[in-house]
Amino acid sequence: GENVEQHPSTLSVQEGDSAVIKCTYSDSASNYFPWYKQELGKRPQLIIDIRSNVGEKKDQRIAVTLNKTAKHFSLHITETQPEDSAVYFCAASRSGAGSYQLTFGKGTKLSVIP
Amino acid sequence: DSGVTQTPKHLITATGQRVTLRCSPRSGDLSVYWYQQSLDQGLQFLIQYYNGEERAKGNILERFSAQQFPDLHSELNLSSLELGDSALYFCASKGVENAEAFFGQGTRLTVV
Repeated sequence: GENVEQHPSTLSVQEGDSAVIKCTYSDSASNYFPWYKQELGKRPQLIIDIRSNVGEKKDQRIAVTLNKTAKHFSLHITETQPEDSAVYFCAASRSGAGSYQLTFGKGTKLSVIP
Repeated sequence: DSGVTQTPKHLITATGQRVTLRCSPRSGDLSVYWYQQSLDQGLQFLIQYYNGEERAKGNILERFSAQQFPDLHSELNLSSLELGDSALYFCASKGVENAEAFFGQGTRLTVV
């Protein structure tokens, strides 16, 4: 099955700085890579996703890059704000009819220091 | 509101007991995933159902079982509960292809 490794497990940055979280996956057939943000006591929510036919995707201060050859993808948050403080999870999945298992990394606790 | 409904929100029970957690997926979503999240831990995949059939199994204990009914709601049954089973249990539903997985608000289980 798929295995997703995520680093670092904790990350502290000063407000306004950038934050980068990296993930690697093992299943070369995986082609969908979402990122979820989980605030304390709440449910995980999708913040951005990328598919294997794209190398980079950006949404305002958030961007995700994908290197299929190396089987790794990264989340970049620029101009961090205190409300970005949360746990971030990467995930990987195959796609196709019938749906497939969605495997998560262990999460990164991001703290943005005002 | 994600459209995924989990009940109950909180559950406190004693060791050795059995509980049932319920999940109603978003309208039209055929896939249901169950995850366990212990304190300060990640999302541990338990099991996935697709249109009533078990699709994938993760680190689910033999004391735990699940099913998905014809109306697509799913139930996770936890039996012979131990203190270590205390956790947040999330259900997520997903449509076809690469569609986003939507999480319910979770059921917080406390075993005392």
